[in-house]
Amino acid sequence: QKEVEQNSGPLSVPEGAIASLNCTYSDRGSQSFFWYRQYSGKSPELIMFIYSNGDKEDGRFTAQLNKASQYVSLLIRDSQPSDSATYLCAVNPSGGYQKVTFGIGTKLQVIP
Amino acid sequence: DAGVIQSPRHEVTEMGQEVTLRCKPISGHNSLFWYRQTMMRGLELLIYFNNNVPIDDSGMPEDRFSAKMPNASFSTLKIQPSEPRDSAVYFCASRGLRETQYFGPGTRLLVL
Repeated sequence: QKEVEQNSGPLSVPEGAIASLNCTYSDRGSQSFFWYRQYSGKSPELIMFIYSNGDKEDGRFTAQLNKASQYVSLLIRDSQPSDSATYLCAVNPSGGYQKVTFGIGTKLQVIP
Repeated sequence: DAGVIQSPRHEVTEMGQEVTLRCKPISGHNSLFWYRQTMMRGLELLIYFNNNVPIDDSGMPEDRFSAKMPNASFSTLKIQPSEPRDSAVYFCASRGLRETQYFGPGTRLLVL
């Protein structure tokens, strides 16, 4: 089992819809969780991080964490074509304060 | 701040040649990470340094890979001899006191 799993997609949503991106992780003791966005040919950039169970909102983005079920999700409201990118889930496992593990990434396509 | 700087941005070489990738982290950041990204395997951590000291090199594929960080503002990743399967995008990232990692633009390596 991979440490961090994501569906590689592509996930296609129409402009204005909600995009839901999901990620599961294997280390139950993981403490912190990150979502990075990577445009084609570019480097990853952090868009959200979350530490506690529940939701964290930042503009059109909401990160959701459920430690009991070991999943973290990212919701993008009012999706725009400019949101089309690959979204990488990253997890900081227990005992490895700096060693973040990345998922394969989900490619999101927002159709105008 | 100029962000993380990597050079070269593109490298094409022949199998068996030595390849040296360079990274300058963000000033004041005390952690530096080298990643490799491929379509099949995603973003993989190769090695990371804390205060110029290698902390975990378990991701380094084999002895052909080596990394150094002689001072706080410079790091190298060397592949000798290079092989076609080393073709990938290599990212350097740095981190300060907070958990956010900032990625450089990457080096696209093609080994023929």
